Amino acid sequence: EPEVTQTPSHQVTQMGQEVILRCVPISNHLYFYWYRQILGQKVEFLVSFYNNEISEKSEIFDDQFSVERPDGSNFTLKIRSTKLEDSAMYFCATSEGGYSYEQYFGPGTRLTVT
Amino acid sequence: AQRVTQPEKLLSVFKGAPVELKCNYSYSGSPELFWYVQYSRQRLQLLLRHISRESIKGFTADLNKGETSFHLKKPFAQEEDSAMYYCALSGSSSASKIIFGSGTRLSIRP
Repeated sequence: EPEVTQTPSHQVTQMGQEVILRCVPISNHLYFYWYRQILGQKVEFLVSFYNNEISEKSEIFDDQFSVERPDGSNFTLKIRSTKLEDSAMYFCATSEGGYSYEQYFGPGTRLTVT
Repeated sequence: AQRVTQPEKLLSVFKGAPVELKCNYSYSGSPELFWYVQYSRQRLQLLLRHISRESIKGFTADLNKGETSFHLKKPFAQEEDSAMYYCALSGSSSASKIIFGSGTRLSIRP
C-alpha cells in the first residue's frame, strides 16, 4: 500500500539555523498539509497546499515558514531561522481530494532546536 | 470557535471490558468527524469517520449533533487496542484542515 514518507526522521539544529523538512506524497494525491506536535501537546495544523499554492495557513505559520513543491514530487517545509519553540514532531499529510477527505499521514520528523 | 475536547488523557481498562473514549466538539457548520489512532512507533492512521458509519476493529462512533459528541466505543477491549486515540474534525471541503483533540491514551490490562 502506498505511504507518505518523510525525511529526515530526526533533525537536530542550532537556534537561528535554517531547516528543510521533506515529504514525498502518495503519487495521485493533490492536497498536502503540514502539522506539528510539540511534546505533550495536541497535533496542530500549520498549512495546506493545493495546485502549487497555499490554501490555508494557521497563525503559527508566520514569515519564518514556507512551503513548496520544487520538483513535482517532494513537498517541503522550510523554517528560515529556527527558535527553541520550533522543537516538535512535524507531520506531513496528503489527500486525494474530490470526495475523499481522508488525510494520510507520514511518520513524522522530530526537530530538535538547541 | 472550532475545538475538539477529549476529557480523558488516560483510560485504563481490563481486557474484555467495554471501552468508551469521550469526544466533544465545537464547530459552526457541519463538520466531518473522525477518530485517528496511533499505535506504538507507528504513524497516525484513520480509524473511522462518521459519514461511513462503519465498524472498524470492533469500534463504533455515533455522531450526536444535539450533544455535539462523537464518542468512540468498543464492547470488548483487546490488548492490541492499546494506543493513542485522537478525535478530530474537519470542514466539508477537500482542502479542509483537521483539528485534533489532545488525545486519549488507551491502555488495556491483561
